[in-house]
Amino acid sequence: KAGVTQTPRYLIKTRGQQVTLSCSPISGHRSVSWYQQTPGQGLQFLFEYFSETQRNKGNFPGRFSGRQFSNSRSEMNVSTLELGDSALYLCASSGPGQGAGELFFGEGSRLTVL
Amino acid sequence: GENVEQHPSTLSVQEGDSAVIKCTYSDSASNYFPWYKQELGKRPQLIIDIRSNVGEKKDQRIAVTLNKTAKHFSLHITETQPEDSAVYFCAASSTGANSKLTFGKGITLSVRP
Repeated sequence: KAGVTQTPRYLIKTRGQQVTLSCSPISGHRSVSWYQQTPGQGLQFLFEYFSETQRNKGNFPGRFSGRQFSNSRSEMNVSTLELGDSALYLCASSGPGQGAGELFFGEGSRLTVL
Repeated sequence: GENVEQHPSTLSVQEGDSAVIKCTYSDSASNYFPWYKQELGKRPQLIIDIRSNVGEKKDQRIAVTLNKTAKHFSLHITETQPEDSAVYFCAASSTGANSKLTFGKGITLSVRP
């Protein structure tokens, strides 16, 4: 069974640009969550999608957005990039049911903003 | 919302010794408490979890204890080995359909050979 796949793995952008990250969950998983990981701040929750609906949202500005497609694949977008957006963005899938359960993380997309 | 704190932020132990990592949470509605291990350059992976109807759970050298009254839970690693060196994250959530897993900031465990 294939694991969670994130693309791209590494990317470099400049301030003011926008970026789109992609996440393919484990087959059969309907929940996809996104986390931002920075040194000293741990894993900060961005948002969660279940069956194409945003079910939860963290405390990030509106520049951070996401969506989920009918095949459960998810994308997150960050517009007007700032230096502080440099981080490892992790996506995780869980399922097949609803509610709390094990998260299966991807390897992450490492974003550097110059 | 939920707030999860981990103490200490770093921990160094001698190989073979035990390590204890403590977490506190704020939301009394939380009833699911997982621990994730993240080795350097790798993805976080679940190592053990506990639900609020259980006070302790063991899996080989690791165990988790939960004190719902005091709102804290701890990870215990016995007979530590160099491969236990990693960042450990605790987390808490409720188990409803709209539950959100809130992580602590992580603790770096170093096991000295």
